[in-house]
Amino acid sequence: GENVEQHPSTLSVQEGDSAVIKCTYSDSASNYFPWYKQELGKRPQLIIDIRSNVGEKKDQRIAVTLNKTAKHFSLHITETQPEDSAVYFCAARTTSGTYKYIFGTGTRLKVLA
Amino acid sequence: DADVTQTPRNRITKTGKRIMLECSQTKGHDRMYWYRQDPGLGLRLIYYSFDVKDINKGEISDGYSVSRQAQAKFSLSLESAIPNQTALYFCATSKGPSQSTQYFGPGTRLTVL
Repeated sequence: GENVEQHPSTLSVQEGDSAVIKCTYSDSASNYFPWYKQELGKRPQLIIDIRSNVGEKKDQRIAVTLNKTAKHFSLHITETQPEDSAVYFCAARTTSGTYKYIFGTGTRLKVLA
Repeated sequence: DADVTQTPRNRITKTGKRIMLECSQTKGHDRMYWYRQDPGLGLRLIYYSFDVKDINKGEISDGYSVSRQAQAKFSLSLESAIPNQTALYFCATSKGPSQSTQYFGPGTRLTVL
């Protein structure tokens, strides 16, 4: 079935450094790839997304890249700040049959001051 | 997002009890979803509904049932709760196939003793 693998499961970086989280999806029919940030005790919130017809998208310190051939996409956070500490989830929306979202297992990012 | 609400926010129940979790939205979205979140497992889809007359099983539907009472309301039931259903439950909504963003409710923390 459809699957999304996410790595690493935990990531610690020094404040000001960059963080990269990677996801690989299995369903080549996937066409939409959102990233969510979940702070402790809160709901997942969309931070950036990318569609399959685009290779890269950037929003201030956050960027996402997509490699359709390899079926992987990555989240890049530059100049990390303590408030970036959270759990980040990637997801892929499949268009096979019905439009379902398959989530990765999450990355706990800790930004050390 | 205040447009997607869930009740109750916290619930403690006993094994064998029937329990219902409710989700309401004022976003006018046609699509609604129920997810379960467990540590290290990310968000797993329980059921989803693309309109009032459309209900679909997700990857972990066993032990759960749903009801789409109206476009704005989607309820999740545990007919006979068991301890391994202890988890954080999220409702989410989205609008049609072309607008892909999912919006999550605040979550319901369910504990089954």
